[in-house]
Amino acid sequence: EVQLVESGGGLVKPGGSLRLACEGSGFTLSSYSMNWVRQAQGKGLEWVASISSSSNYIYYTDSVKGRFTISRDNVKNSLYLQMNSLRAEDTAVYYCARCSGGTCHRSSGFDPWGQGTLVTVSS
Amino acid sequence: EVVMTQSPVTLSLSPGEGATLSCRASQSVSSNLAWYQQKPGQAPRLLIYGASTRATGFPARFSGSGSGTEFTLTINSLQSEDSAVYYCQQYNDWPITFGQGTRLEIK
Repeated sequence: EVQLVESGGGLVKPGGSLRLACEGSGFTLSSYSMNWVRQAQGKGLEWVASISSSSNYIYYTDSVKGRFTISRDNVKNSLYLQMNSLRAEDTAVYYCARCSGGTCHRSSGFDPWGQGTLVTVSS
Repeated sequence: EVVMTQSPVTLSLSPGEGATLSCRASQSVSSNLAWYQQKPGQAPRLLIYGASTRATGFPARFSGSGSGTEFTLTINSLQSEDSAVYYCQQYNDWPITFGQGTRLEIK
């Protein structure tokens, strides 16, 4: 079964840091571009960042540029999101999601998604 | 940035009826559009990709159409389990963007 499992969420103070991880199983993560998508409580989905299979191409939404870093370890079948200088508005459930067609751009959507990990930024 | 606008915001229909959900892009995204279904407390699930290709696990009652800037998700013969929020997403241009969602309620 193809599966993604996130970890690393929690409560952090404004200005603090957190590192999220996403472990894939049932497929070879190195063959796929990967993403982080977040969802604030009661709100819609917001794409955060994408990384290509070999880490050659990385993209971020404007609101996290310079603060978040997406990375991957294909040997460990894992994806990461280092989040620094956290703000209250970063509070959300963070999902990792695979680009189902291998690449994200002009491919075939995100599938599957992990169950999400909650990040709360509050003093 | 490509802005995705979904309508209506909320839809309330009875079992057996049909639903039509719309998604409009602020500029052409060709057929690089996906629909997702999200039920309460669950992660989104890919429903449609390439504007009209149904993902694995969804019945033929679900269909997608459109290209360019206008897209439609049609759900025939609604069942109670179709109650969810449906999001469209464009993956034609960076940044990848989602619509704000349509909440479908089955009475």
